[in-house]
Amino acid sequence: EVQLVESGGGLVQPGGSLRLSCAASGFIFNNYEMNWVRQAPGKGLEWISYISSDGNSKSYADSVKGRFTISRDNAENSLYLQMSSLRAEDTAIYYCMRDVTETTGFYWGQGTLVTVSS
Amino acid sequence: QPVLTQPTSLSASPGASARFTCTLRSGINVGTYRIHWYQQKPGSLPRYLLRYKSDSDNHQGSGVPSRFSGSNDAASNAGLLLISGLQSEDEADYYCAIWYSSTWVFGGGTKLTVL
Repeated sequence: EVQLVESGGGLVQPGGSLRLSCAASGFIFNNYEMNWVRQAPGKGLEWISYISSDGNSKSYADSVKGRFTISRDNAENSLYLQMSSLRAEDTAIYYCMRDVTETTGFYWGQGTLVTVSS
Repeated sequence: QPVLTQPTSLSASPGASARFTCTLRSGINVGTYRIHWYQQKPGSLPRYLLRYKSDSDNHQGSGVPSRFSGSNDAASNAGLLLISGLQSEDEADYYCAIWYSSTWVFGGGTKLTVL
């Protein structure tokens, strides 16, 4: 069974940093592209970052470009999101998400809440 | 103009049909992209429903009833999610998504009320 477990969320002050982690299991992690998606309270889904299966290709939403960095450790079956220069508008639940395949949609973790507030 | 535009809300009666639109920005041809559809109920994770590009390139999510289907409207450059025989349990937010220019893009979502 595919499992994605995020951790690292919490309360951080504006301008601060946070590192999110996602532990993957139940599938061959290094075969899959991965993403981070967030959802602010009461709002819609916002894709924020993508990384290829080998980690060599990455992309970011304009809203986080230059502030967030996605990475992965295929030996540890883990995905990361380093977030810096955090703003109040970054407050959201952050989801680790396995990319689609020919026969599946996204797989979602349960999410981790990031709150940016003084 | 956003890449994907969805109406914010839709209402329909039990047993009726609902038609969700996901309109692609001008210059982005609906027939070129696989449009993915997700259902999200309050407090739950999004659930994959289906993806549709054409009659020969589409996929139904595992366990998703056949009353959920996808289509395109080339005239309005929109992807469509169609739900027939509406049930109260279908009340949820519905999101479309495409892989565009090396990024995923989600529509803003449509809230379905079944009343």
